[in-house]
Formats: sequence, structure tokens, C-alpha cells
Amino acid sequence: DVKVTQSSRYLVKRTGEKVFLECVQDMDHENMFWYRQDPGLGLRLIYFSYDVKMKEKGDIPEGYSVSREKKERFSLILESASTNQTSMYLCASRPAGDEQYFGPGTRLTVT
Amino acid sequence: RKEVEQDPGPFNVPEGATVAFNCTYSNSASQSFFWYRQDCRKEPKLLMSVYSSGNEDGRFTAQLNRASQYISLLIRDSKLSDSATYLCVVNLSGGYQKVTFGTGTKLQVIP
Repeated sequence: DVKVTQSSRYLVKRTGEKVFLECVQDMDHENMFWYRQDPGLGLRLIYFSYDVKMKEKGDIPEGYSVSREKKERFSLILESASTNQTSMYLCASRPAGDEQYFGPGTRLTVT
Repeated sequence: RKEVEQDPGPFNVPEGATVAFNCTYSNSASQSFFWYRQDCRKEPKLLMSVYSSGNEDGRFTAQLNRASQYISLLIRDSKLSDSATYLCVVNLSGGYQKVTFGTGTKLQVIP
């Protein structure tokens, strides 16, 4: 059974703080993704990675960076958190096939 | 025009009813299609893939119309447990397989 875990379910941070969101998958998947989900906007892709140390910008990369030092771990970094980054963040992994497996999500509030 | 469009609903239907959702996509080069289900405050999970010939899984039927560029999901004999948001997903093959999610259609099955 595929398992994707995220470091926190709920997080509250202050404006300007550096925020790290961690995602780990246990199925040796090549591809990993970070999305944010907001009401009325659906899931929007922030960054994805198709291999260790490789990353590609998604649709809304501004204000974010990522790190993939190991195949199983994909980190999302908010360099200086802002209130408009308050959102649900979902990590997903995918093998060479099509189905994406999502983590439980991290609800981030920036005050 | 959005790449993937769905009617956000909500669709309020009585138990036992049949309900259908459509999802339109703009890129005719799209290769693969899926329906995901997302329960309130949970992560999306794959419900079913959508094949060119159409496919059925119990009470659920998915169909693809390439000419008109839409996919559909039909739910027969609705159950209370079917209440959720249904996300349409379109993969554009090539490169790193750009995946686009619709914003979702909310279904509420009422007793």
C-alpha cells in the first residue's frame, strides 16, 4: 500500500518566517509534486520533481522553492511566508504510470 | 478558457438517484483522463481512470468524448457515502506529463 506522509497536518506561522514542509513517500516513485488547494481555485501545481536533485516549476512557483536530495523526500520551502500563502498544501507522488498518490495535506495559516 | 472546467455544483440529489457530471478540457493533445474523489478535509484519491471505450466500476461509469473534448462521470443509485467532491484530471503526455486538475464538483446525497 502506497504511503505518502507530510510532516504536519496543521501549521501556524508568522509573516516573514521561513517555512519547511516535508513530504516522504515509501514506494520509490520517480515523480513528486507539491500543490496548493484553495476554495474555488482547485489544486494548483507549485513545483514538481522527476528525479533526485531535479525540479521543475509548476503553474505558481513564485514565493516557493523545493529540495529533493533523496528520492523519497520532497521538501517545499516558503522563503518568507506571507498571508496569501495561507492554504492547504498537498504533496503527491507518482510512478511512471498515471495515478497520483496524495499525502494527507498540511493546512498552513500565516498570520 | 480554463484548461479543465467543471461545474462546481453543489449537486444535491436524493438517495437512489442517478447523477452525472461533465468535465471539459481545452487541449486536444490530452492523453489520459481520471476522476478523483475528495472527501471533506481529506486528500484526493483516485476513483477511476477514463478510457476511450468507456469504463464501468459498479455504480460508476466514466466516458470520454474526444471529439467534443469532455469526460463524464455517471453515478447510479446514489448512496449517502457518495457525498464528496469529484475532481476531473487531465494528463498531457510528453515531457514530464503535465497534469491538470479541475476545481471539482461537489455532490451532496440527501436522505
